[in-house]
Amino acid sequence: GAVVSQHPSWVICKSGTSVKIECRSLDFQATTMFWYRQFPKQSLMLMATSNEGSKATYEQGVEKDKFLINHASLTLSTLTVTSAHPEDSSFYICSARSIILAGVDNEQFFGPGTRLTVL
Amino acid sequence: ILNVEQSPQSLHVQEGDSTNFTCSFPSSNFYALHWYRWETAKSPEALFVMTLNGDEKKKGRISATLNTKEGYSYLYIKGSQPEDSATYLCAFSETGTASKLTFGTGTRLQVTL
Repeated sequence: GAVVSQHPSWVICKSGTSVKIECRSLDFQATTMFWYRQFPKQSLMLMATSNEGSKATYEQGVEKDKFLINHASLTLSTLTVTSAHPEDSSFYICSARSIILAGVDNEQFFGPGTRLTVL
Repeated sequence: ILNVEQSPQSLHVQEGDSTNFTCSFPSSNFYALHWYRWETAKSPEALFVMTLNGDEKKKGRISATLNTKEGYSYLYIKGSQPEDSATYLCAFSETGTASKLTFGTGTRLQVTL
C-alpha cells in the first residue's frame, strides 16, 4: 500500500520549453502533496506544498510563476516547469500524505523522482 | 535555514559487517526525525519516524536511536547484506511545521560480498 508514481522518470527538453511532471497516489487519497528537487551532491529541498483544491504554498526562493503546481484531485498533482533553462536541470521528486495514513507522525510517501535535463 | 547533517557521506563495508551512521539536527523546536532508505531508481522508503527523546526503534537488522536534547540520531545495521546497499536519508521536522521535512544529504552505503 501507499504507492506513489511519477511520470516521466526522465525528460530531456530544449531551453525555453515547458515540461510537466505528474505525481499520482495509486492506492490512497493524498490530501497534501509535496514537491522537492535535488541538485547534485545536495539534499532534497522542499519547493512547495499543495493541498487538494487550493493554491500551493511555495518555499522561499522558489518562483511560483516558473514552477506551476496543480493539485486538482486527491490522487494527482502536477508540476510544470515553464520556460525551462539549463539551471533548472535537476532531480524532481514528489511525496504525498494522507490524513488517514499519516497519523501524528506526518508520514510522507515518495515517488521515484523525475530527472530533468534542459539543453 | 535548518541544518541537518549526515555522516559519513559514504561507506563501504563487507557482507556481515555491522555499521552505523549519524544524523545531526537542531535541538530546538523538535517534532520528529525520519529515516528513509533510498535505492537507486526507486522511491525513498520510510524506515522509522522517531518523536521521543531516548526512543529506540528496530526493524529486522536495522535500528535507530534518538537524542533530541543534543540533536542526533544513529542508524545501525547489524550484519550488513548486499541488499542493504542504498542511500540512507534522515529528515527533521520542527513544531509548528510538522509536515515540512528538512533532509540531510544522505549516507551512501555499499555492501560487498
